[in-house]
Amino acid sequence: EAGVTQFPSHSVIEKGQTVTLRCDPISGHDNLYWYRRVMGKEIKFLLHFVKESKQDESGMPNNRFLAERTGGTYSTLKVQPAELEDSGVYFCASSLTSGRYNEQFFGPGTRLTVL
Amino acid sequence: AQRVTQPEKLLSVFKGAPVELKCNYSYSGSPELFWYVQYSRQRLQLLLRHISRESIKGFTADLNKGETSFHLKKPFAQEEDSAIYYCALSGSGYQKVTFGIGTKLQVIP
Repeated sequence: EAGVTQFPSHSVIEKGQTVTLRCDPISGHDNLYWYRRVMGKEIKFLLHFVKESKQDESGMPNNRFLAERTGGTYSTLKVQPAELEDSGVYFCASSLTSGRYNEQFFGPGTRLTVL
Repeated sequence: AQRVTQPEKLLSVFKGAPVELKCNYSYSGSPELFWYVQYSRQRLQLLLRHISRESIKGFTADLNKGETSFHLKKPFAQEEDSAIYYCALSGSGYQKVTFGIGTKLQVIP
């Protein structure tokens, strides 16, 4: 079974440009999470989808970030316009909405560099 | 506010020596505690969680509510244990995970 996939693996853009990151969760996983790790800091939560609905977007840094999950399958995270401080590794994770434990399965991450 | 503290960014031990990775947390209520691991060139993966009280790859972690700690231990380190270990917590249900900064474990042959 394929795990969580993310595209692209790396992205280098200039300040002011737009970038869209994509996450494909494990098939059947209704929960989808986005996290970010800025260099030297902890992995921080951005937001949580349950199917196509935003369950918790308390971690989104500002309105330059827009996340969507149309149809409850894959998700995109768009940064527009990108700033230098947006550089980091963006992780996606998914989990089932059944079972006793919330085991989140992580993707490999997208490394974003804003110049 | 929920917080996870890992005091050591790097821990070096010799092969065969005991390992203890420290983790303290703050949370209002009863969190779920986890240890995640990231081996070189691999993705982040769950190592163990406190609810299941399991031993994975020889690692165990005991939740001490009085000291709000969840230290990860292994009696004899192996070279393949070299990785970055993240302590994490979550509220009940399917909530977000809060991570510590991670401890890089280096096992010296």
